[in-house]
Amino acid sequence: NAGVMQNPRHLVRRRGQEARLRCSPMKGHSHVYWYRQLPEEGLKFMVYLQKENIIDESGMPKERFSAEFPKEGPSILRIQQVVRGDSAAYFCASSPSGRIYEQYFGPGTRLTVT
Amino acid sequence: AQKITQTQPGMFVQEKEAVTLDCTYDTSDPSYGLFWYKQPSSGEMIFLIYQGSYDQQNATEGRYSLNFQKARKSANLVISASQLGDSAMYFCAMRGGKIQGAQKLVFGQGTRLTINP
Repeated sequence: NAGVMQNPRHLVRRRGQEARLRCSPMKGHSHVYWYRQLPEEGLKFMVYLQKENIIDESGMPKERFSAEFPKEGPSILRIQQVVRGDSAAYFCASSPSGRIYEQYFGPGTRLTVT
Repeated sequence: AQKITQTQPGMFVQEKEAVTLDCTYDTSDPSYGLFWYKQPSSGEMIFLIYQGSYDQQNATEGRYSLNFQKARKSANLVISASQLGDSAMYFCAMRGGKIQGAQKLVFGQGTRLTINP
């Protein structure tokens, strides 16, 4: 029973490029959450999605960031025109329907913007 | 708004001693949940223990126990008989209820625990 999978584990982008982070939830989980962790800080909520729907994006920056969770395939967090301040660890978590309080985290993607 | 405060940036403990990591919280939701996660140097987030606001007893999971004092709004993590492998960052987190939203977790700043041999 595979856990939450994220890829890539490490991503290096130059300023101005696009970053795409992928998250495959645990089997049977239809709720996905994205969190961002800046160096030496706790995780900060970004967005909560269900299949084909964004439920809560109150933590997403207003510009350059977008997220989706299509009917088929992984959830994608997309960052356009990356800047140095986007360098962080991005964690995905998933939970099953009916037990949304349980969040299982993936290993994270470490984004470095040069 | 919900808030988690961890006042100990770092702690150093001798192996085999018990250690208490502090966590206080603030919320207006009558229903909420409190979590502790461990983040080793490899970076993954490992779930340790969960306490619901209406749970009558303190949660325990092996060497981990949560000292839940609702009136004081504190949810301290106690690790008994510490081991070298316990060296890591520890995060306290909260989920809200219907008012604040049950879906997202709010995290504290973390405590870096170092176990000395």
